[in-house]
Amino acid sequence: AQSVAQPEDQVNVAEGNPLTVKCTYSVSGNPYLFWYVQYPNRGLQFLLKYITGDNLVKGSYGFEAEFNKSQTSFHLKKPSALVSDSALYFCAVRAYTGKLIFGQGTTLQVKP
Amino acid sequence: DTAVSQTPKYLVTQMGNDKSIKCEQNLGHDTMYWYKQDSKKFLKIMFSYNNKELIINETVPNRFSPKSPDKAHLNLHINSLELGDSAVYFCASSQVLGLAGPPGAKNIQYFGAGTRLSVL
Repeated sequence: AQSVAQPEDQVNVAEGNPLTVKCTYSVSGNPYLFWYVQYPNRGLQFLLKYITGDNLVKGSYGFEAEFNKSQTSFHLKKPSALVSDSALYFCAVRAYTGKLIFGQGTTLQVKP
Repeated sequence: DTAVSQTPKYLVTQMGNDKSIKCEQNLGHDTMYWYKQDSKKFLKIMFSYNNKELIINETVPNRFSPKSPDKAHLNLHINSLELGDSAVYFCASSQVLGLAGPPGAKNIQYFGAGTRLSVL
């Protein structure tokens, strides 16, 4: 069965510091991985996806994610965090049926 | 213009009532979805429709009945509401379902702002 895990409920970072939000996955076959962000009282917004090719994927708002097949990870990163990045982040894998299977979500708190 | 819009945004109702949540997308997409987000923020798919046809039906109680009158709309009707139905329900759409092969830009799912359902 396909699954996604986000081991941290919350990540706290000071503004200007680099941030990492962790995600590990379990799939059979090629993984198709996504990151979404949810701002308070809003729907999810697509950030980036990994399908194939370069292990480092660049997305919206300066975010990037690194695909690591040997560690089955797809961590979200940003070199310099902004207070406005504070939100709930979801990692997801696309199942063979087309549906997205989401991780538990990680709250990112960026403090000034 | 909002790409994926849901109404109402908030819904407070009594146990046992029947209610509907509407979803409309103006993106011209073929595929629409309903997700449920529980109090712990866990997101799980409920249904997906492709060109008005049901594709995914997770193990959702049959009190939940999706209806797709056309490609642009996917409504969710809930009968005999229970306390455990309290959650945020998200509608989403994608250009295609794209089950074959790797997903491209056409498979990206776009979400509505959610409907917060509170059952008292």
